[in-house]
Amino acid sequence: DIQMTQSPSSLSASVGDRVTITCQASQDISNYLNWYQQKPGKAPKLLIYDASNLETGVPSRFSGSGSGTDFTFTISSLQPEDIATYYCQQYDNLLPGTFGQGTKLEIK
Amino acid sequence: QVQLVESGGGVVQPGRSLRLSCAASGFTFSSYGMHWVRQAPGKGLEWVAVISYDGSNKYYADSVKGRFTISRDNSKNTLYLQMNSLRAEDTAVYYCAKTKRENGVGDAFDIWGQGTMVTVSS
Repeated sequence: DIQMTQSPSSLSASVGDRVTITCQASQDISNYLNWYQQKPGKAPKLLIYDASNLETGVPSRFSGSGSGTDFTFTISSLQPEDIATYYCQQYDNLLPGTFGQGTKLEIK
Repeated sequence: QVQLVESGGGVVQPGRSLRLSCAASGFTFSSYGMHWVRQAPGKGLEWVAVISYDGSNKYYADSVKGRFTISRDNSKNTLYLQMNSLRAEDTAVYYCAKTKRENGVGDAFDIWGQGTMVTVSS
């Protein structure tokens, strides 16, 4: 099974800061990597699919990059409404996939 | 609008069964793979099961294999999760989710339901 290592597990940043979260796969997953945002008590929301594609309606301050085993999720300028937990998720054509452990993002 | 609504959660004793439903609307249900994902209290997301658009392919997480069964009724636009031999560790919010692309199984999940809570306790 493919394991996903997401870091950090928690992060405190100020409004306007650039925030970066990483996800590492235990084997090559090409670009089969998605990023989700989950606010307390709510369902997850898809932000980035296939490593770098912004989901429709998602603000452009969110971005993703990477391929193979190493992936990065970035918020270019943190806003108060971005406080949430973020998850990466890998998938392949046969077996949808494991989520990372999550990164809880807080305002400093 | 595109919507998924889960139902069927509740409190159940260990070893008993429960069936969850997920009613879909606003999209061509029969064209998309569908998933169940769960989240234990205070924990992260765990993928549970997927069914292909036509029901011909089903895959399960090892933690539920042999106990849970995913199914769908495309005539009713409804997804199901039959959960048998429930354990305390199955306690979680269960979400249904739609694959982003038609005919996909492995894919991003672009639409999620609001979730339904399952508590396994004596």
